[in-house]
Amino acid sequence: SQQGEEDPQALSIQEGENATMNCSYKTSINNLQWYRQNSGRGLVHLILIRSNEREKHSGRLRVTLDTSKKSSSLLITASRAADTASYFCATGGGGSEKLVFGKGTKLTVNP
Amino acid sequence: DTAVSQTPKYLVTQMGNDKSIKCEQNLGHDTMYWYKQDSKKFLKIMFSYNNKELIINETVPNRFSPKSPDKAHLNLHINSLELGDSAVYFCASSQDVATIFTDTQYFGPGTRLTVL
Repeated sequence: SQQGEEDPQALSIQEGENATMNCSYKTSINNLQWYRQNSGRGLVHLILIRSNEREKHSGRLRVTLDTSKKSSSLLITASRAADTASYFCATGGGGSEKLVFGKGTKLTVNP
Repeated sequence: DTAVSQTPKYLVTQMGNDKSIKCEQNLGHDTMYWYKQDSKKFLKIMFSYNNKELIINETVPNRFSPKSPDKAHLNLHINSLELGDSAVYFCASSQDVATIFTDTQYFGPGTRLTVL
């Protein structure tokens, strides 16, 4: 069954603005990963945060994890047109032997 | 160099036909996967193989049969194609099944299957 639910489903912003996407999940997890999918392409791993971590940074990406609320957020700062893509969270663990992906947030960054 | 490759990129076929999708990874990974992404972008795992052995088999019709001739290849054969099989199929790989939750998964470019 589906684990992660991204919110919002779609987000449109101007270049230079920050973009925040949220992911909520239902069961306990070992870690949570974020992936990006450009139109017509495969998914690309962005960042992984473990269940005992609260925040992680990678370049312009900042991920937070709140296990008490079963939620995570992905913040992209100073967005660029090239950030236009769908972003998926994927959860691992919680008794499941696989990564379970959410439905994704479609981000459009307008130049 | 392409890490995970799939062929074909597009596949258009009639209902009832049998078709195959091939996947190869040159990353030296032990674990490979097939995912199905539907029209609403929902990505669902179908199968996972570790070193040629099936380890995950989701509730997938037995018309779908994966085959792994070696750990670098995982092919997907689909019999008696139905309209509902239309989707994008992604192959992926990761280092090791023991670290399935912490490994990055590397995805292929996808195969868009259209059943008419």
